Amino acid sequence: DVKVTQSSRYLVKRTGEKVFLECVQDMDHENMFWYRQDPGLGLRLIYFSYDVKMKEKGDIPEGYSVSREKKERFSLILESASTNQTSMYLCASSRTGLGNIQYFGAGTRLSVL
Amino acid sequence: DAKTTQPPSMDCAEGRAANLPCNHSTISGNEYVYWYRQIHSQGPQYIIHGLKNNETNEMASLIITEDRKSSTLILPHATLRDTAVYYCIVRPDGSSNTGKLIFGQGTTLQVKP
Repeated sequence: DVKVTQSSRYLVKRTGEKVFLECVQDMDHENMFWYRQDPGLGLRLIYFSYDVKMKEKGDIPEGYSVSREKKERFSLILESASTNQTSMYLCASSRTGLGNIQYFGAGTRLSVL
Repeated sequence: DAKTTQPPSMDCAEGRAANLPCNHSTISGNEYVYWYRQIHSQGPQYIIHGLKNNETNEMASLIITEDRKSSTLILPHATLRDTAVYYCIVRPDGSSNTGKLIFGQGTTLQVKP
C-alpha cells in the first residue's frame, strides 16, 4: 500500500515562529502536494512539486514556501506563522501518468496562538 | 477544470445502496470524473474514476450518463464506516498530467443503523 506520512498529527506554535511541516511518501511518486482544509472553504492547494527541486504555486501560496530536496520528501514552511494559518494541512503524492491517483496523509492540525 | 455540483448532504440506511449524484454539465471531452471521500479526521481517499464507460471496483460503481453531464457513485451495501464527505472532481488525464485536483464542498453521506 502507498504510504504518505506527515510528521505530526497536532502542532501548536506561536505567532511569528518558523514552522516546518514534513511529508514523506514511500512509492517513488514524482508529484507531491500540500493542501490546507478549513471549514466552509474545503481543500485548497498551496503548492505542488512535480520533481525534485521543482515547485509550482497552487491557489493560496501566500505566506508559505516549500522545499523538495529528495524525491520522497516535501516540506511546507511557514516563514512567520500567523493566526490565520491555523488549519488542517494535508500532504498528497501521485505518479504522473494515466489515472494519476492522489494518495493523502492523515493530516496535521496546526494551531497558531 | 470543469465545475461540479453535488447535494450538500444525504442519508442512507445501513445495508442499502447509497447513490451519490454529481452534475458536471461543462465537462470537456478529455476530462475524467474522479471520486474521493474523506472520513472524519482523515485525509481524502481515492474511490474510483472514469471517462465515459461505467466502472466498478471493490469499493464502488461509477455510472456516467451518455452525454457525460452527470454521474452517480454507487456504494452497493453501505456500512456505518462509509459515513464521510464524498467529493466528485473532474479533470483532464494523460501522461503529462501532474494530478492537480480541485475539491468542491462535496456531499456529506450519513449512513444510519
